[in-house]
Amino acid sequence: ETGVTQTPRHLVMGMTNKKSLKCEQHLGHNAMYWYKQSAKKPLELMFVYNFKEQTENNSVPSRFSPECPNSSHLFLHLHTLQPEDSALYLCASSQEWGVLNQPQHFGDGTRLSIL
Amino acid sequence: KNQVEQSPQSLIILEGKNCTLQCNYTVSPFSNLRWYKQDTGRGPVSLTIMTFSENTKSNGRYTATLDADTKQSSLHITASQLSDSASYICVVTSNNAGNMLTFGGGTRLMVKP
Repeated sequence: ETGVTQTPRHLVMGMTNKKSLKCEQHLGHNAMYWYKQSAKKPLELMFVYNFKEQTENNSVPSRFSPECPNSSHLFLHLHTLQPEDSALYLCASSQEWGVLNQPQHFGDGTRLSIL
Repeated sequence: KNQVEQSPQSLIILEGKNCTLQCNYTVSPFSNLRWYKQDTGRGPVSLTIMTFSENTKSNGRYTATLDADTKQSSLHITASQLSDSASYICVVTSNNAGNMLTFGGGTRLMVKP
């Protein structure tokens, strides 16, 4: 196990629904990340939290709303999503954002399908 | 614009054979390069990391090379096993504010018996 747990593993929702993705890390890390992985495309960084503070928002639409209540937990709140938002959403953590040579530890992702 | 290009996009080899995956990048300024393995339905797992001064890094049957002058890296897999079937992702970190990561599109490897 990588020490990063994501739930649910699979989620199917309609465009008008509201749902949340959850990520929890047991590694004592201080930085957490949300990535989007679409078929045949490189991973796209969405958000970065460092010591619970959001440090990066890569022009992500407002229908994605992150929340980081503490260094161990990260949420991604979803509402009024579009079909093109169907993808694998990966959570990762590292010791600290911006420190060189630290690997990111990934969870196994939530496979999201928008109907 | 920072870019990471991987080739081939997909590869099929027979069990026991060797293979080499390529990664070319235009990321600047360069900090380090990582190779990740992503099994189907799982998250990426780090295999190797190399900084500017490192030319070779091994992890079991995986050997990564880095040529910082030509901005190329390769991942060589020796004596492939069925469990090597996965996507291999090259990630380059830039030595700028926030140390932004640039991901390659990955090479999908299938090892057949």
